[in-house]
Amino acid sequence: QKEVEQNSGPLSVPEGAIASLNCTYSDRVSQSFFWYRQYSGKSPELIMSIYSNGDKEDGRFTAQLNKASQYVSLLIRDSQPSDSATYLCAVNPRPSGSARQLTFGSGTQLTVLP
Amino acid sequence: DADVTQTPRNRITKTGKRIMLECSQTKGHDRMYWYRQDPGLGLRLIYYSFDVKDINKGEISDGYSVSRQAQAKFSLSLESAIPNQTALYFCATSDLGAGEDNEQFFGPGTRLTVL
Repeated sequence: QKEVEQNSGPLSVPEGAIASLNCTYSDRVSQSFFWYRQYSGKSPELIMSIYSNGDKEDGRFTAQLNKASQYVSLLIRDSQPSDSATYLCAVNPRPSGSARQLTFGSGTQLTVLP
Repeated sequence: DADVTQTPRNRITKTGKRIMLECSQTKGHDRMYWYRQDPGLGLRLIYYSFDVKDINKGEISDGYSVSRQAQAKFSLSLESAIPNQTALYFCATSDLGAGEDNEQFFGPGTRLTVL
């Protein structure tokens, strides 16, 4: 079992719709969770971080964390064609304060159709 | 100017050649990382360094070596390049003791092709 799993997609949504991206992780002690956006041929760009159960909103983006179920999701409201990219989920698989590495999922490719 | 820079941006080399990829950062971060990215496999950690005197192997360190010349510089070497090292390589940095736990910031990447 991979430590961090994402559906590879592609996920297609119409412009203006809500895009929902999901990520599950295997290590129960994980404390830090991140969503990166990566355009084709470009570097990953951090768009959201979440550390506590519940929702965290930033503009059109909402990250949701459920540690009991070991999943983290990203919702993109009012999706725009410019949101078309690969979204990488990253997890710090150790308790806060110990060795700080990230484990990345393989990414979900999102296409927003005009 | 970019906070994390990588040189070269593109490199084509032949099997058996030694090559070095360089990373520099002006963010003042203590921690630096090297990843490779292959289609369908996501980002995989090669080496990481938490300060100048600290070097650690990541998930896929075989065939690679690194040097942390200064807080701002972290180089990745392929001692004898082989075709399956063809990939996109990223350097990343993060801040020791930052309020946000291990947010990493990536350089623009180096596309390496080994023939």
